[in-house]
Formats: sequence, C-alpha cells, structure tokens
Amino acid sequence: GAGVSQSPSNKVTEKGKDVELRCDPISGHTALYWYRQSLGQGLEFLIYFQGNSAPDKSGLPSDRFSAERTGGSVSTLTIQRTQQEDSAVYLCASSLVIGSEGYTFGSGTRLTVV
Amino acid sequence: AQSVTQLGSHVSVSEGALVLLRCNYSSSVPPYLFWYVQYPNQGLQLLLKYTSAATLVKGINGFEAEFKKSETSFHLTKPSAHMSDAAEYFCAVSFNSGNTPLVFGKGTRLSVIA
Repeated sequence: GAGVSQSPSNKVTEKGKDVELRCDPISGHTALYWYRQSLGQGLEFLIYFQGNSAPDKSGLPSDRFSAERTGGSVSTLTIQRTQQEDSAVYLCASSLVIGSEGYTFGSGTRLTVV
Repeated sequence: AQSVTQLGSHVSVSEGALVLLRCNYSSSVPPYLFWYVQYPNQGLQLLLKYTSAATLVKGINGFEAEFKKSETSFHLTKPSAHMSDAAEYFCAVSFNSGNTPLVFGKGTRLSVIA
C-alpha cells in the first residue's frame, strides 16, 4: 500500500484480556518495527523484523508481549493478560532495510486497558 | 548505554521567532541522526536526516539541523516559526552504523504563540 496501515486505531479492553494489534507495512519494505509511545516517555522500542532473519525481541517488556510477521509482510503484536500499564499508543513502522533510511510510521493503535 | 537526550519537554515561541530544539546523543562513533514531527493524533513524519554527508541538513517545512561531532549534538532550527509548526518533535539516532533500530528522545512539544 501507499503507507503503513495499523488496525484498530483505538482499542479499549478489560484488564486480563488478550489483544492483537495489526500492522500492514509498505509493500517491499523488508524491515518492520514496533514501538510503544507513552505520555512523556517518547518512543520505546519493542521488536523489529528484518527479512527472514530472527526478530530482535530485546525491547519486549515482558513475556506477555509477542509478535509475528507472516510472509514477510503483515505483522501482529499480541499482548496477553493485559495490565493497565500496557495502556499506550503502539506504533508500527517499516523501511526498505535497516540502516540509514528513515522509517515510515503508521498512525498507531491507541490501547486503553480498563 | 546509548541514549538520546532532548533538552526541554516543552518549548514555547512567538510566531515569527527562531525555533531551536536541542538534541544530544551518547556515542563516540558518528551515528545516523533523524528528526521526526508528530502532529496531534497522527503518526511520526520524517523531517530530515543526517547520514554522513553535509553536516548542515535541510528538511521539509523550512527546518534544518546541524551535526556537530565535537558536541555530539544535532539541534533542530527554523528561522521563523509558523502557527502550523506546533507539534511534538522527536530526535532519533541509529547507532552501530545503522544496524540497530532507532533510539528516540522523549520528545519536545513546540507551542507557537500568536
């Protein structure tokens, strides 16, 4: 597509429920990134995928968080047993490759855990 | 640890005044450097980037930034602020010759007063 698409744009869930956030990157972009944006905290790196290589999961805050990327395209970020501190905007970005090129970001999914 | 510091979480300027947003990073090796802008309820948009070419980089909307290796800084400037410049600005750094995901500063909210 023309840009990075994320869905849903807003998600309200009850504490303890699982949620899935979807990211559809720009066609042909081999690198895909997930970041979390909390108020006053900037962007926190979560995970990134580069082609067929094993993903870099070093930013995932706990084992309740996981992500996969199917067929080198669409990615899903899953949060299990959500907690109130998981409330944030989850941003997805993609780039041709990792390196000197900037990323193209989606508009994000605003997750609220009540 | 590699880090990005943006001085001032909130900067307020008058319309027509100089805009100066500060960014410092921790690295002895010149990294790749980026500035992004985020308008309310939108994703991040690339303003400009430095990738080892000219140290003064020009971006969109009249913004520019200068890479100063001795000061490990990449401050963002604009000679004359417009009301439309009101947004959140993020400095981001790609360390390790671009082989790791971007590390973001915590952001600076720019307000423009009429």
